[in-house]
Amino acid sequence: DAKTTQPNSMESNEEEPVHLPCNHSTISGTDYIHWYRQLPSQGPEYVIHGLTSNVNNRMASLAIAEDRKSSTLILHRATLRDAAVYYCILRDIAGANNLFFGTGTRLTVIP
Amino acid sequence: GAGVSQSPSNKVTEKGKDVELRCDPISGHTALYWYRQSLGQGLEFLIYFQGNSAPDKSGLPSDRFSAERTGGSVSTLTIQRTQQEDSAVYLCASSPRLGVYEQYFGPGTRLTVT
Repeated sequence: DAKTTQPNSMESNEEEPVHLPCNHSTISGTDYIHWYRQLPSQGPEYVIHGLTSNVNNRMASLAIAEDRKSSTLILHRATLRDAAVYYCILRDIAGANNLFFGTGTRLTVIP
Repeated sequence: GAGVSQSPSNKVTEKGKDVELRCDPISGHTALYWYRQSLGQGLEFLIYFQGNSAPDKSGLPSDRFSAERTGGSVSTLTIQRTQQEDSAVYLCASSPRLGVYEQYFGPGTRLTVT
């Protein structure tokens, strides 16, 4: 699977939007962009995924650059419960089925 | 509905003993995955199962690790002759089938080898 690069940590004020970036300059045409998050002392939790078009769900939005070399996970209104490590993962539809977790971005939400 | 469950939630064992960790996937999910997470580290893939097909064992760190899945549902991860470096949180996940479908994770089993 192609590699992703994320900042080690970010901070956000509660109730403000958060934009979590991910670079994946070696992405292939068959790589889906997945985001998971891991709250303290819990297993990872699926957030969202997309291929080319921007995606929205009840948890977040995913904005994908036109060249697909980067993407941004958007939390529209951060809450204290959103404090977690966020992982950006590429999954090739024809490749390995397991997830390759990097180091992710640790999001701190400030009350 | 019920999510992925794992047992025990915590396990403390002495070096050299064998341990068994259990995973109950979401009903109807045919794909099942095992990962482990050492303290402060990212997740490391161990093994996955798809239905009755032979599992992908490419992530198992040594021949002391094995896993089986009975009846296409419950899975057991066995670690023989445990070592201190086996101490980690062992996470199980399931998904409707292999592919780019999202994986649903259990709460994990924290294994401590003394």
